[in-house]
Amino acid sequence: AQSVTQLGSHVSVSEGALVLLRCNYSSSVPPYLFWYVQYPNQGLQLLLKYTSAATLVKGINGFEAEFKKSETSFHLTKPSAHMSDAAEYFCASQIQGGKLIFGQGTELSVKP
Amino acid sequence: KAGVTQTPRYLIKTRGQQVTLSCSPISGHRSVSWYQQTPGQGLQFLFEYFSETQRNKGNFPGRFSGRQFSNSRSEMNVSTLELGDSALYLCASSIGQGALSPLHFGNGTRLTVT
Repeated sequence: AQSVTQLGSHVSVSEGALVLLRCNYSSSVPPYLFWYVQYPNQGLQLLLKYTSAATLVKGINGFEAEFKKSETSFHLTKPSAHMSDAAEYFCASQIQGGKLIFGQGTELSVKP
Repeated sequence: KAGVTQTPRYLIKTRGQQVTLSCSPISGHRSVSWYQQTPGQGLQFLFEYFSETQRNKGNFPGRFSGRQFSNSRSEMNVSTLELGDSALYLCASSIGQGALSPLHFGNGTRLTVT
């Protein structure tokens, strides 16, 4: 069965520090993988996606993620956190169709 | 180009009632998906429509239903509301199906069942 696990429901970093949000997937076939961000009282915004073209994927707002098949991981990183990055982040996988399987989300806090 | 529009933004209903939520996709998008978001269960897939046909369905009871119109607008209906149906309901649209057509989400409808 397809599943997505995000390690850590809350992550706190200082402004300017590295952001690392962890995501592991479980799938019988290589899935497509996504990272979404959700700000309070808003929907989800796509940060980046992996569709097998390249293992290192660059997204918006300085975020990037690396697909590692051997580790079944798709961790999200950003070299330097900004206050505006505080939000909830969701990793999701897709095998076919428009159905996404989401992880439980990681709330990112950024301290000044 | 306007984004995905969901109406209403907030809704309060009583147990046993039914409710209809509306979603207008981005112009030109033919696929609409619905998700339920709750603190306990997270984001769960409800169903997906493409060209007025349901293509995928999640594991929700039959009280949850949806449809898509010829102009790609979609509605979802929940009958005999239960307290556990309180959630943020998100609609997403895409040009086609599959990962090469990423989902664009609306801001959701917050449903509270009392």
